[in-house]
Amino acid sequence: NAGVMQNPRHLVRRRGQEARLRCSPMKGHSHVYWYRQLPEEGLKFMVYLQKENIIDESGMPKERFSAEFPKEGPSILRIQQVVRGDSAAYFCASSPNRGLDSEQYFGPGTRLTVT
Amino acid sequence: AQKITQTQPGMFVQEKEAVTLDCTYDTSDQSYGLFWYKQPSSGEMIFLIYQGSYDEQNATEGRYSLNFQKARKSANLVISASQLGDSAMYFCAMRDYNYGQNFVFGPGTRLSVLP
Repeated sequence: NAGVMQNPRHLVRRRGQEARLRCSPMKGHSHVYWYRQLPEEGLKFMVYLQKENIIDESGMPKERFSAEFPKEGPSILRIQQVVRGDSAAYFCASSPNRGLDSEQYFGPGTRLTVT
Repeated sequence: AQKITQTQPGMFVQEKEAVTLDCTYDTSDQSYGLFWYKQPSSGEMIFLIYQGSYDEQNATEGRYSLNFQKARKSANLVISASQLGDSAMYFCAMRDYNYGQNFVFGPGTRLSVLP
């Protein structure tokens, strides 16, 4: 049973370009979460999605960032017109349900570097 | 206000000794979940242990145990018989209904196990 997959693992973009980060949840998981981790900090929640729906995007910047989880295919976190401050590790996690005790399974992360 | 506090940015422990990593949390919810994750230098997030707010017994998973003191709002992680492979960042995290059941992570503690 494959775990959560993220690609690419490393992504380099110049300022002003777009970054697309992909996440395939574990089989059978319909809940997907995106987190951002700045260097030497903990993970910060960005967005929670279920298939085709954004449930909670309270942690996502209002501009330039968007996320989707289509009926078919991986979840995508999209960052338009990247800036140096977007350089971070972006983690995706998935879970089979939404309860307080529901463990989230994390992917290996995508390390975005903006030059 | 910070919801999760980890007051030890870095800790050292001798191999084979036990170590306690501190975590205090803040919530007005009666129902919440507490988690510990390990992040080795390779970057992935590894789930270690879970404690529910209504659990009367302290959680244990192999060499990991959680010292849960509800009145003090603390959920310290105890690692017994430390191994060199335990060297990593350790994050305490919480889920509660106030924050939409999304994970809130602490800033982490970097543990170094000395041979």
